[in-house]
Amino acid sequence: DQQVKQNSPSLSVQEGRISILNCDYTNSMFDYFLWYKKYPAEGPTFLISISSIKDKNEDGRFTVFLNKSAKHLSLHIVPSQPGDSAVYFCAASLSGSARQLTFGSGTQLTVLP
Amino acid sequence: DTEVTQTPKHLVMGMTNKKSLKCEQHMGHRAMYWYKQKAKKPPELMFVYSYEKLSINESVPSRFSPECPNSSLLNLHLHALQPEDSALYLCASSQEKGSGWGQPQHFGDGTRLSIL
Repeated sequence: DQQVKQNSPSLSVQEGRISILNCDYTNSMFDYFLWYKKYPAEGPTFLISISSIKDKNEDGRFTVFLNKSAKHLSLHIVPSQPGDSAVYFCAASLSGSARQLTFGSGTQLTVLP
Repeated sequence: DTEVTQTPKHLVMGMTNKKSLKCEQHMGHRAMYWYKQKAKKPPELMFVYSYEKLSINESVPSRFSPECPNSSLLNLHLHALQPEDSALYLCASSQEKGSGWGQPQHFGDGTRLSIL
């Protein structure tokens, strides 16, 4: 049973526009969420996180939104740049087993120049 | 540049070989992790070390043997692997505060392992 789902395997966006990556989860006990970016031949790079006590966290061009009632989070990238082209993974953890991240299957973002 | 360094970057080995993967971090993190990632799949947790002690083993076969000789180093010893063990092996580390909640894990670039 996949507890963290990224239903869009791929997304293409024009440079300068907004990229919105979505993630849904089924376990209501998850209380910490993260987004990672992964380039080919590199490890995942931590981007931004949010705890369940918040509904928004912003860091530069990246904003994560959390809707606990819908069990949904999203990553907004504004403005999108060609260098943002990568696979984006969302991940979630429980306070009781914080070291065990459950990852989604990833979304390939392509930013077109 | 990643602050978690993994060596080697690539490794090809036969099923009877013994080899080791190495991971090093100098961020003062006291939690370290091994993950396995197959193509087009998310990372899967294998082991977690907290303060140099094994705290989580996700039912990994005994042909994978982790070792944490000190707070900066993490090894994964490999023996008698199978072709299906071919994958990208990722090391990660995080600060250890309380249960580790709220501490993002930082990954190395991985070792691409191929079993012949």
